[in-house]
Amino acid sequence: GESVGLHLPTLSVQEGDNSIINCAYSNSASDYFIWYKQESGKGPQFIIDIRSNMDKRQGQRVTVLLNKTVKHLSLQIAATQPGDSAVYFCARGGQNFVFGPGTRLSVLP
Amino acid sequence: NAGVTQTPKFQVLKTGQSMTLQCAQDMNHNSMYWYRQDPGMGLRLIYYSASEGTTDKGEVPNGYNVSRLNKREFSLRLESAAPSQTSVYFCASSESLQGGNEQFFGPGTRLTVL
Repeated sequence: GESVGLHLPTLSVQEGDNSIINCAYSNSASDYFIWYKQESGKGPQFIIDIRSNMDKRQGQRVTVLLNKTVKHLSLQIAATQPGDSAVYFCARGGQNFVFGPGTRLSVLP
Repeated sequence: NAGVTQTPKFQVLKTGQSMTLQCAQDMNHNSMYWYRQDPGMGLRLIYYSASEGTTDKGEVPNGYNVSRLNKREFSLRLESAAPSQTSVYFCASSESLQGGNEQFFGPGTRLTVL
């Protein structure tokens, strides 16, 4: 079956450094990927998305990279701040959203 | 706009009891979803409704039923709760099922089945 997974369950970065969260997927028919941020006790919140006809998309302090050759996408957060501490999920969009298990990002002072 | 609202926020049930989780959205979205999230895991789709009047099974539908009451409301029912259904339940909505339509999530309902 299809799956969306992450390389690391936890990630700790120093405040001000850049963060990179990785995700791998198995279904090459996927045409749309999304990154969500989930803070403790809250529902997931949309960060950024990317279509399969793109390699890169930038938002405010965030960049998503998509490598279709190796079925890998990453979320880069520039100048990580304490407010970025959360669990980050990649998901395959479409009719049946498939979420990965998440990576917990901890920002160290 | 309140976005997506869910009630209740917390619930404790005994095995075999039934209950309905309520969800409403005020964004005039066509599609609505129910997910469950177990500790340390991602979200798994239980049921979804592409549009008013339609519902379809997701990845983990067993033990649940849904009703798309109208365009705004999408309820999830547990007919006979089991401890395996202890989880946090999230409702979400989007303009449509088509890719590129962001899903907006509610705050979740934390359910414990004893």
